[in-house]
Amino acid sequence: NAGVTQTPKFQVLKTGQSMTLQCAQDMNHNSMYWYRQDPGMGLRLIYYSASEGTTDKGEVPNGYNVSRLNKREFSLRLESAAPSQTSVYFCASSQSRRTANTGELFFGEGSRLTVL
Amino acid sequence: KNQVEQSPQSLIILEGKNCTLQCNYTVSPFSNLRWYKQDTGRGPVSLTIMTFSENTKSNGRYTATLDADTKQSSLHITASQLSDSASYICVVSPIGRDYKLSFGAGTTVTVRA
Repeated sequence: NAGVTQTPKFQVLKTGQSMTLQCAQDMNHNSMYWYRQDPGMGLRLIYYSASEGTTDKGEVPNGYNVSRLNKREFSLRLESAAPSQTSVYFCASSQSRRTANTGELFFGEGSRLTVL
Repeated sequence: KNQVEQSPQSLIILEGKNCTLQCNYTVSPFSNLRWYKQDTGRGPVSLTIMTFSENTKSNGRYTATLDADTKQSSLHITASQLSDSASYICVVSPIGRDYKLSFGAGTTVTVRA
């Protein structure tokens, strides 16, 4: 019953440092997503991967890169962290890009990132 | 401006009481509207999904309603329990834009004994 697993759960970085958030799903889903959640705002899409081998920008992609390593795994990289990237990051998956719109979207537990 | 606005921002209720959360949206046309529950420190979990043609959907003590004419939805919690303390997020899915969901900022509900 793992669903969507994210690591790490907490991370503190200094400005300019880099790091990668890892995400894996065991539901055999085709589509995966990275969101950020900030106080007083709705979840915002950073990047998504409609299927293995494809990635596309979402609403707020600047300062981030992603890799769809295989069907199960989708990582988010911050190359040079900035204080504005302090946030809670959520990975999500759905059976397809279309079912993200019409059906279930499953979220991980979140990764809380602080950039000093 | 966010296309999904939720009110109130937060509320406190006593255990056993009912409460209603509001969601106003401007996304149009849309295929469905969802409510998610997010416990503190956890990821959102789906409560209900309603298509544009549905008026109501229940999940246990949670009942969601939808008025597509006025672009309003509500989530009613009946006989609240301490475990209902969470943030409740309204999400609207636009037609023709697949995965580009519009999320509300959420309403934080605190249930006190």
